[in-house]
Amino acid sequence: DTEVTQTPKHLVMGMTNKKSLKCEQHMGHRAMYWYKQKAKKPPELMFVYSYEKLSINESVPSRFSPECPNSSLLNLHLHALQPEDSALYLCASSQETGDEAFFGQGTRLTVV
Amino acid sequence: AQSVTQLDSQVPVFEEAPVELRCNYSSSVSVYLFWYVQYPNQGLQLLLKYLSGSTLVESINGFEAEFNKSQTSFHLRKPSVHISDTAEYFCAVSDSGNTPLVFGKGTRLSVIA
Repeated sequence: DTEVTQTPKHLVMGMTNKKSLKCEQHMGHRAMYWYKQKAKKPPELMFVYSYEKLSINESVPSRFSPECPNSSLLNLHLHALQPEDSALYLCASSQETGDEAFFGQGTRLTVV
Repeated sequence: AQSVTQLDSQVPVFEEAPVELRCNYSSSVSVYLFWYVQYPNQGLQLLLKYLSGSTLVESINGFEAEFNKSQTSFHLRKPSVHISDTAEYFCAVSDSGNTPLVFGKGTRLSVIA
């Protein structure tokens, strides 16, 4: 199994809603990542988890809250988002930080 | 910190013609280098990677890239492109696996019939 699975594929939420994005991998990877990608732009790193501990937070606003319940799962909790947060949110994993990263298909988030 | 420069934001090319997508990175220290491809509304797929060893790396679908340490480059080439190669291509670098991947701005390859 070389897949990273993200759910949901699409999400529309209001600015007062609370929602969560989910990511799962069963490759035994120890590093997991959240990236944000706006249209026609490269992925921007948000968070890195290494061995289930948050190792990098790229100064992301607190309305985004990551969580790593176990070595296979990564969540991104969303609260009080702004319309400019609308983007494709990509989860990725790698054996160790900086190794070849495997990406999920992404969650297309629209904030209304 | 590492940075990656992809000088060409768009590259149009006729079908069956050769193509080169350019990538330069900022540091000459030991690095891992990657090319990823992204089709519309999808995630990124690894095309090929350089970790060590042979400086010429190849993918299963005819792409190749050459690591040039003196020029800090990792250009992607294909001798004959197909319509299905139309996509966004991202070059990425990490400090020998110690840091997360840093991506270039991407190059949009458009193959014209």
